[in-house]
Amino acid sequence: DSGVTQTPKHLITATGQRVTLRCSPRSGDLSVYWYQQSLDQGLQFLIQYYNGEERAKGNILERFSAQQFPDLHSELNLSSLELGDSALYFCASSVTGGNEKLFFGSGTQLSVL
Amino acid sequence: KNQVEQSPQSLIILEGKNCTLQCNYTVSPFSNLRWYKQDTGRGPVSLTIMTFSENTKSNGRYTATLDADTKQSSLHITASQLSDSASYICVVSSGGGYNKLIFGAGTRLAVHP
Repeated sequence: DSGVTQTPKHLITATGQRVTLRCSPRSGDLSVYWYQQSLDQGLQFLIQYYNGEERAKGNILERFSAQQFPDLHSELNLSSLELGDSALYFCASSVTGGNEKLFFGSGTQLSVL
Repeated sequence: KNQVEQSPQSLIILEGKNCTLQCNYTVSPFSNLRWYKQDTGRGPVSLTIMTFSENTKSNGRYTATLDADTKQSSLHITASQLSDSASYICVVSSGGGYNKLIFGAGTRLAVHP
């Protein structure tokens, strides 16, 4: 158990809908990262937060947004969903957000039908 | 373009045998190289992290090597077990003050009895 908690584990929705994925980092970790993993693809970095502030942005679509709250949990919001958004979404956390070990959650499997 | 390429794409071995997975990268600047193990439907788990000056690092039956001159790394698994069946992901950190990680697509290993 990495200590990173993601909910829900599975999510099935329809095109055009909006969903929210939630992540609670390990106790003491200030930085949260979101990754997308499509079928048989490598993980793609979406966005990073550190202590409530956005630190780095990757290949995140404009339809997607995220935030990190004062209690350090994070939410990833996906809107106007398309079939191609079906993927595993991982959250990871680290202590300082620097060049250090990441701890990953078990992911949320999103299926857009 | 920063890239991490892994080979083979998939591998089947018999329990008790050894195997070696390869990783080639073209990432600049280079900060460190990581190997992760990802069980199906789960988040990646860190196996090793190596910096520029480290040639080899072990974690139990897993031994990673790094040749920074040729930009190659390998992960050697000794005396494989059924539980080693997973995807093994090579990840290169480009540093830059935050966790800018470039993920390979992974090698899918199946260990058969």
